[in-house]
Amino acid sequence: AQSVTQPDIHITVSEGASLELRCNYSYGATPYLFWYVQSPGQGLQLLLKYFSGDTLVQGIKGFEAEFKRSQSSFNLRKPSVHWSDAAEYFCAVGFTSGTYKYIFGTGTRLKVLA
Amino acid sequence: DTAVSQTPKYLVTQMGNDKSIKCEQNLGHDTMYWYKQDSKKFLKIMFSYNNKELIINETVPNRFSPKSPDKAHLNLHINSLELGDSAVYFCASSQVRRGQTRGYTFGSGTRLTVV
Repeated sequence: AQSVTQPDIHITVSEGASLELRCNYSYGATPYLFWYVQSPGQGLQLLLKYFSGDTLVQGIKGFEAEFKRSQSSFNLRKPSVHWSDAAEYFCAVGFTSGTYKYIFGTGTRLKVLA
Repeated sequence: DTAVSQTPKYLVTQMGNDKSIKCEQNLGHDTMYWYKQDSKKFLKIMFSYNNKELIINETVPNRFSPKSPDKAHLNLHINSLELGDSAVYFCASSQVRRGQTRGYTFGSGTRLTVV
């Protein structure tokens, strides 16, 4: 069955450190891939997306993600984290299986230390 | 501002009551959704409407009834509220092309507390 996994429930990094959030999916073909951020008390905001082409995609707020077909992964990265990046991050995949489906991962909570 | 707006932001009510949450989008999207986010932040699709037509209806108690008067609005009515209905409910919209969406725009959520 199709699924999306975010292995890390919580991640803590120091401000200025680099960040990588993991996302793995299970699907027979290449799905559409997305990362969203949810700040406390807010809805989800789309950070970036991958459909095809260049496997390294740039998003808003200095984030980027790399699609690796061989690893079925779409990890989110940021070279230098700011305190305002503390939030919940969700990976999502969209794929067609009869009808179109869209699945969210369980989220990774990022804490940033000053 | 272009956005997905939902009201109310907070809703506290007693068990057994009936309540509604409204959602409106002015992005011109053709598809709207309701998601439920539980206390562990897990997001679960409830309903999806495409041009006022119900296209996704996950396993949700029939106490939950969506209504889409037009493609810019998708309201959620809940009858006989139960404690387990307490959660944050998110409305979202997207444009679907050739069976795929290029990303959702979410509302800021409605925190429902049933006491």
